[in-house]
Amino acid sequence: EIVLTQSPGTLSLSPGEGATLSCRASQSVGSSYLGWYQQKPGQAPRLLIYGASRRATGIPDRFSGSGSGTDFTLTISRLEPEDLAVYYCQHYANSPWTFGQGTKVEIK
Amino acid sequence: EVQLVESGGGLVQPGGSLRLSCAASGFTFSNYWMSWVRQAPGKGLEWVANINQDGSEIYYLDSVKGRFTISRDNAKNSLFLQMNSLRAEDTAMYYCARIWNYGAGHYGMDVWGQGTTVTVSS
Repeated sequence: EIVLTQSPGTLSLSPGEGATLSCRASQSVGSSYLGWYQQKPGQAPRLLIYGASRRATGIPDRFSGSGSGTDFTLTISRLEPEDLAVYYCQHYANSPWTFGQGTKVEIK
Repeated sequence: EVQLVESGGGLVQPGGSLRLSCAASGFTFSNYWMSWVRQAPGKGLEWVANINQDGSEIYYLDSVKGRFTISRDNAKNSLFLQMNSLRAEDTAMYYCARIWNYGAGHYGMDVWGQGTTVTVSS
């Protein structure tokens, strides 16, 4: 089983600032078989990124992903109050698909 | 409108059973892999199971193998999760999700329901 470890646990930033979220895999996730999800309070998750760097339909270009192998990053430029959420990485390289434990983004 | 609506959650005693349903609308259900994902209270997301378009390919989280069964009825645009021998640690919000195939082995859970709550307690 591939274990995904996200850091930091919590980010507290002001509107307009940039956020960098990390996701590290216990083994390679192959050809960047990794996605990112956003879960706002009281809501279901939403797909942001697939293939490590490809934005899903309707996702603003403030969200970008990068990385390969075992190290991945989600960058949120120009934070907006609506970006308050928990962000999860998830791999689909093999079964079981696993999620990271999440990074909570707080807006000051 | 593309939509997934879960139902069937509730309070059940340890060792009991529940059958969750997920009604799909607004898209051709039979064209997609589907998934169940759960979230324990105050915790993160946990993938539970996947099923392919005709039910011939299925994958499970190890901790639910032999207790949970994912299935689908394409004629009724419905996904199911039969949960037996329930344990306290199965307590969670259960989401169904559509799996979009972006090609070249890339997937994403691009449509989610609002979830149904399962509580296992005596």
